[in-house]
Amino acid sequence: GAVVSQHPSRVICKSGTSVKIECRSLDFQATTMFWYRQFPKQSLMLMATSNEGSKATYEQGVEKDKFLINHASLTLSTLTVTSAHPEDSSFYICSAPLASSTDTQYFGPGTRLTVL
Amino acid sequence: QKEVEQNSGPLSVPEGAIASLNCTYSDRGSQSFFWYRQYSGKSPELIMSIYSNGDKEDGRFTAQLNKASQYVSLLIRDSQPSDSATYLCAVNAGGTSYGKLTFGQGTILTVHP
Repeated sequence: GAVVSQHPSRVICKSGTSVKIECRSLDFQATTMFWYRQFPKQSLMLMATSNEGSKATYEQGVEKDKFLINHASLTLSTLTVTSAHPEDSSFYICSAPLASSTDTQYFGPGTRLTVL
Repeated sequence: QKEVEQNSGPLSVPEGAIASLNCTYSDRGSQSFFWYRQYSGKSPELIMSIYSNGDKEDGRFTAQLNKASQYVSLLIRDSQPSDSATYLCAVNAGGTSYGKLTFGQGTILTVHP
């Protein structure tokens, strides 16, 4: 089946540093990818839509200057958490639809970010 | 605000029983409905998708959709301990929101031997 990978799976960083998370579609091309965030014991919340070759669109309340998204190729989207703070500690998950004609999403394994 | 509501549980059923998970949604224009399973510390795994009113069966899983009542459910037959997880209901509104999912808060299911 379709596979979406993420790297790193886990990262611990100091407050004020930036962290880059990669999301790759391994056996299909994805013109659109989605980034979600999940705090402990809460559900997934959509942060932004990553669009290949154009700017990402962010959900209300998500700071676009803090969460930088780049979708430079049809198989790679990156999320950079800039100047991370402890409140940014969360589980970040990307997803991609298998094809543009379907809204069935395949999720990456997630990245656990801990900001000290 | 578009909302998806689930009973957070926990729902506890004995092995071999039927587990019934329920979900309601607020956006009457919603087009697509999904059930995901999430184990602790892992990302969601797609179990079922359903788009039309009625039932859809896949192995031990049956999804039911009633758009008039804005209700979607998941039945798990012959529940196994390995089914113990959080089950997330997700809804896509379609149109300009194509591909975007709104998730419920999840129902914790425990299947005990």
